[in-house]
Amino acid sequence: GAGVSQTPSNKVTEKGKYVELRCDPISGHTALYWYRQSLGQGPEFLIYFQGTGAADDSGLPNDRFFAVRPEGSVSTLKIQRTERGDSAVYLCASSLGGDTQYFGPGTRLTVL
Amino acid sequence: GENVEQHPSTLSVQEGDSAVIKCTYSDSASNYFPWYKQELGKRPQLIIDIRSNVGEKKDQRIAVTLNKTAKHFSLHITETQPEDSAVYFCAAKEGGGADGLTFGKGTHLIIQP
Repeated sequence: GAGVSQTPSNKVTEKGKYVELRCDPISGHTALYWYRQSLGQGPEFLIYFQGTGAADDSGLPNDRFFAVRPEGSVSTLKIQRTERGDSAVYLCASSLGGDTQYFGPGTRLTVL
Repeated sequence: GENVEQHPSTLSVQEGDSAVIKCTYSDSASNYFPWYKQELGKRPQLIIDIRSNVGEKKDQRIAVTLNKTAKHFSLHITETQPEDSAVYFCAAKEGGGADGLTFGKGTHLIIQP
């Protein structure tokens, strides 16, 4: 079946701009996660949703970052007033609500 | 919160030899430990995982061992092949629920022909 998909695959923006990154989880997966991966590092947890609600947003670095999942399926990660330090690969993962998480291909964000 | 340390950062082995990657964790409440393989520019792929109710799990050439007392777990790859070359990440979380994973910094495994 179809895996986790993310769009766009690459996003280049200018400092100060607003960006939205989209994640389509595996159909039927109730839990959805966002991670950020900087070059040469492991993925860093940002936020996870159980259904429509954010069950844990403790990994969001500051209030410029926000995520939604209004219908319990697709999720959007929103970054306001982007900074050069936000440049990274943003990974999405989904699970059936248990342990095993399946990752998407990521969105590579470059802030100039 | 949880902290996961991973060693070594780079590992080079001859094709056919074994490779071992080690991780330690800090939170005694963690009881789910997956390993992911990530090729350059690709998504992390789950290759094996272990839960705290067992000490070892094997899947063909790959095995994972867990020592809960010492809070460390290891990935063992035997009879390494060129396609095993990738970055490997260990991770940990409290098992049984949908929580975020805490990852190590990764090990770049290089298989020398």
